[in-house]
Amino acid sequence: ETGVTQTPRHLVMGMTNKKSLKCEQHLGHNAMYWYKQSAKKPLELMFVYNFKEQTENNSVPSRFSPECPNSSHLFLHLHTLQPEDSALYLCASSQVGRDEQYFGPGTRLTVT
Amino acid sequence: GENVEQHPSTLSVQEGDSAVIKCTYSDSASNYFPWYKQELGKRPQLIIDIRSNVGEKKDQRIAVTLNKTAKHFSLHITETQPEDSAVYFCAASIPVGGSSGGGADGLTFGKGTHLIIQP
Repeated sequence: ETGVTQTPRHLVMGMTNKKSLKCEQHLGHNAMYWYKQSAKKPLELMFVYNFKEQTENNSVPSRFSPECPNSSHLFLHLHTLQPEDSALYLCASSQVGRDEQYFGPGTRLTVT
Repeated sequence: GENVEQHPSTLSVQEGDSAVIKCTYSDSASNYFPWYKQELGKRPQLIIDIRSNVGEKKDQRIAVTLNKTAKHFSLHITETQPEDSAVYFCAASIPVGGSSGGGADGLTFGKGTHLIIQP
């Protein structure tokens, strides 16, 4: 598959569950991002990774834990979430030195 | 940090007419300004972008203008078509590590404009 892929596409979890979101990019990029898209807010940057190193954490609560094992894969580990964390979580990638970011289809997360 | 304001939140135009969406940003260090189109249930797609060393850029029916002094930029869509109906987001980014850049930068987005093309 080409471009940026995300799994699962939909996830329903309870507040005490632990789950992980996965993102994979097939574009040869070396920077990856997590964004949160809520109904009444703009897309919010959560984390930035450059060459597998986290370079930005946009004041995200510790119940969200990112992991970037290599330049092609990005995970978001979730635990003890709140209902207000329900949102669309989007992954994006880019080439360091180039500005264009390409988004995955997102994971629709519902916390019950 | 950077703050991006986008107006209007909803825009309805007749098919064939032009549409203009405006954004302002707060941080004069921002140097990259993309526009994304998001159709219902789909991912945001980059449609056009502009860098701070350019005042205007055009790609067929869409164009973007940038006024660095006033810190605002606009998206212009001419001869609108039904398939232009979507939510449009503007964004801005500040180079990592100062003006020399060298890193990947997160984007700060506006709240989006729901563009409706009336047949």
